[in-house]
Amino acid sequence: QKEVEQDPGPLSVPEGAIVSLNCTYSNSAFQYFMWYRQYSRKGPELLMYTYSSGNKEDGRFTAQVDKSSKYISLFIRDSQPSDSATYLCAMIDGQAGTALIFGKGTTLSVSS
Amino acid sequence: NAGVTQTPKFQVLKTGQSMTLQCAQDMNHNSMYWYRQDPGMGLRLIYYSASEGTTDKGEVPNGYNVSRLNKREFSLRLESAAPSQTSVYFCASSHLGGAGGYTFGSGTRLTVV
Repeated sequence: QKEVEQDPGPLSVPEGAIVSLNCTYSNSAFQYFMWYRQYSRKGPELLMYTYSSGNKEDGRFTAQVDKSSKYISLFIRDSQPSDSATYLCAMIDGQAGTALIFGKGTTLSVSS
Repeated sequence: NAGVTQTPKFQVLKTGQSMTLQCAQDMNHNSMYWYRQDPGMGLRLIYYSASEGTTDKGEVPNGYNVSRLNKREFSLRLESAAPSQTSVYFCASSHLGGAGGYTFGSGTRLTVV
């Protein structure tokens, strides 16, 4: 079992739809959870950051972490064509000397 | 505000050739990382340097070497390139280890023929 599982998609939605992206993980020691957005032929950029369980909202984006289920989600409201990208989840236990573990990424296409 | 700078952006190598990918960050970050990204495989960690003077292997270190030249620079060397090393290579840096999130460079697209 991979440490982090993420459905690669692709996911296609019309403009204005609500998008739900998800990851599951197996390591209960993970405490820091992130979502990165990667446009085609660009480097990933940090989109959302959450510590431990709970929700975090930033504009049209909401990140949720459920540590009891080892499940994290990213919701995008009122999706726009500019949201078309690959979204990667990432997580880490926060111990010194470790590195982020990434999901494989979900490719999202929002059509106008 | 350059962030993380990678050079070169594109490279074509012949099998057996060597090359060094350069990475520099200007954010005074302690930790630096090298990932490769392949279709269907996601981002896989090659090597990382938690702090100046230390390096550690990641998930896929075979065929690569790294040097943390100073706090700003972290290079990745392919001694004898193989077609299996055709990939997009990303360098990243962070201040608080991975817990603070990474800043990524724009990538190096490497093709080995």
